[in-house]
Amino acid sequence: EVQLVESGGGLVQPGRSLRLSCAASGFTFDDYAMHWVRQAPGKGLEWVSGISWNSGSIGYADSVKGRFTISRDNAKNSLYLQMNSLRAEDTALYYCAKDMDYGCSSTSCYPLDYWGQGTLVTVSS
Amino acid sequence: EIVLTQSPATLSLSPGERATLSCGASQSVSSSYLAWYQQKPGLAPRLLIYDASSRATGIPDRFSGSGSGTDFTLTISRLEPEDFAVYYCQQYGSSPRTFGQGTKVEIK
Repeated sequence: EVQLVESGGGLVQPGRSLRLSCAASGFTFDDYAMHWVRQAPGKGLEWVSGISWNSGSIGYADSVKGRFTISRDNAKNSLYLQMNSLRAEDTALYYCAKDMDYGCSSTSCYPLDYWGQGTLVTVSS
Repeated sequence: EIVLTQSPATLSLSPGERATLSCGASQSVSSSYLAWYQQKPGLAPRLLIYDASSRATGIPDRFSGSGSGTDFTLTISRLEPEDFAVYYCQQYGSSPRTFGQGTKVEIK
């Protein structure tokens, strides 16, 4: 059974940093591109970042480019999101999600078929 | 960046009725790489349709997708009580991936 479990969320002051993690199980993690998607309270979905299976291709939304860094550790079946210079508008539930199929050498191949339950990030003073 | 615009924002229908949801793209979606997701309150999104018209695993055949280029449609042939939710389209053919703002299907 595929499982994606996010952690690392919490309350943080504007301008500070936070690192999110996603622990994956139930599939061959290093075959799949992975993504972070966020949802502000009461709002819609926003794709944040994606990373190919071998970290060779990485993409970001314009709203986080230069502040957030996605990475993965295939030996640990884990995905990460380093978030720096956090702003109030980064407040959201952050989901980890996997590509539906494997072998994508970019971040633009497949839809997202499994999602975690999310970790809440609140940016406030 | 491809902007996706969904309409209507809210659809008020009764169980058994047909639902038609639209998703328009600001430019052509590469290879019809367009997906539809369903989201219920407090839950993560669920993949319904990919490649514009292919149903994901386990999705009932009352859900169907169509379209190409810049105009896409999700149709629910006969609404079941569990179908009342918010639906999002997403293009995954170019980076950054983008979502539409969502259509809420509510009970009339």
